[in-house]
Amino acid sequence: DAGVIQSPRHEVTEMGQEVTLRCKPISGHNSLFWYRQTMMRGLELLIYFNNNVPIDDSGMPEDRFSAKMPNASFSTLKIQPSEPRDSAVYFCASRLGQGPYEQYFGPGTRLTVT
Amino acid sequence: TQLLEQSPQFLSIQEGENLTVYCNSSSVFSSLQWYRQEPGEGPVLLVTVVTGGEVKKLKRLTFQFGDARKDSSLHITAAQPGDTGLYLCAGGAGGFKTIFGAGTRLFVKA
Repeated sequence: DAGVIQSPRHEVTEMGQEVTLRCKPISGHNSLFWYRQTMMRGLELLIYFNNNVPIDDSGMPEDRFSAKMPNASFSTLKIQPSEPRDSAVYFCASRLGQGPYEQYFGPGTRLTVT
Repeated sequence: TQLLEQSPQFLSIQEGENLTVYCNSSSVFSSLQWYRQEPGEGPVLLVTVVTGGEVKKLKRLTFQFGDARKDSSLHITAAQPGDTGLYLCAGGAGGFKTIFGAGTRLFVKA
């Protein structure tokens, strides 16, 4: 079975540019999570969806960040405009809604904003 | 606010040694998960513990959930270089949310 798929794996962009990260969850999973990981702050939950509906976006750092899940097999995380402090590894994870919180992570997107 | 504290933060040992890392909280969790993350990859689920006092074994790894479901430990017997990585514990915080600890970074020298 294919795991969680993320693209791109690496993104380098200049400050002020728009960045879009993409995620395809595991088929049949109905919860999707976006995380950001840095050495200083560890793994931070940004937003999670259940059945394509955003449930909690309290972790989204500011209005420059937005996330969508138009259907059960695709989600995007957009940063507009990007800033150097957004540089981090962004992970998408999915899980079955009734499981005991086990999540399956994608390989991540390493974002560098110069 | 529920928090998970992991210790030690960093551990460097020789191949063949045993080690234990800890995950502690003042809150009760309905379940705890342990993940291992290798450089350049996402965290990979190792185990889930649900019942207080539960012990699970995965080859040379032994996981225990505290009786009160507030803490957990991971013991590795005869560590190998392939065990090197970041070990994260995570707890179910109700609903869909999961709380992650900051992790223990393990380095096993050959």
